[in-house]
Amino acid sequence: DAGVTQSPTHLIKTRGQQVTLRCSPKSGHDTVSWYQQALGQGPQFIFQYYEEEERQRGNFPDRFSGHQFPNYSSELNVNALLLGDSALYLCASSLVPDLTGELFFGEGSRLTVL
Amino acid sequence: DQQVKQNSPSLSVQEGRISILNCDYTNSMFDYFLWYKKYPAEGPTFLISISSIKDKNEDGRFTVFLNKSAKHLSLHIVPSQPGDSAVYFCAGTGGSQGNLIFGKGTKLSVKP
Repeated sequence: DAGVTQSPTHLIKTRGQQVTLRCSPKSGHDTVSWYQQALGQGPQFIFQYYEEEERQRGNFPDRFSGHQFPNYSSELNVNALLLGDSALYLCASSLVPDLTGELFFGEGSRLTVL
Repeated sequence: DQQVKQNSPSLSVQEGRISILNCDYTNSMFDYFLWYKKYPAEGPTFLISISSIKDKNEDGRFTVFLNKSAKHLSLHIVPSQPGDSAVYFCAGTGGSQGNLIFGKGTKLSVKP
């Protein structure tokens, strides 16, 4: 039973560039959430996708956008990268949407913006 | 405005003793609390949770206590093992929130 998989694991970009991160949810899950974890901080909610729609959004600017595909996989796009976007980006999946809040996380994509 | 606070960045405990990790919250809308454990280079993994209608939940060596009047919860690990060394995150959810609000984490070191 495959867990949550994310790609790429590491990447380096320069300011102003755009980045796309990818996530495949755990088998049987159809809800995907994205979190940003800056150094020394806890994960911070970016948004959640269910039925190919953004259902909830945290306090992140419009430069952060996403997409969910019919197979439930998801992408996170960040435009006009800033130095402050350097962080570990975590994808989490859950049942639909699981009211207990239990999420299954991937290993994350570490983004460095120079 | 931090809705979930873990005021101890680190904790060191001897193997076999009890580890107590603390968490405070400010959002009265939270109706479910969770603890996650994170090893380096891995994603957080779910450890234990508690509903706001309970004051205690136990799972093996792990027990979570909730004091709603004080808006405080704690995670007890007994006995502590070196493999428990990790960063522990407390999180709350509920009300209109489908997402988890995390604290900054507490790094637990269990020494042999």
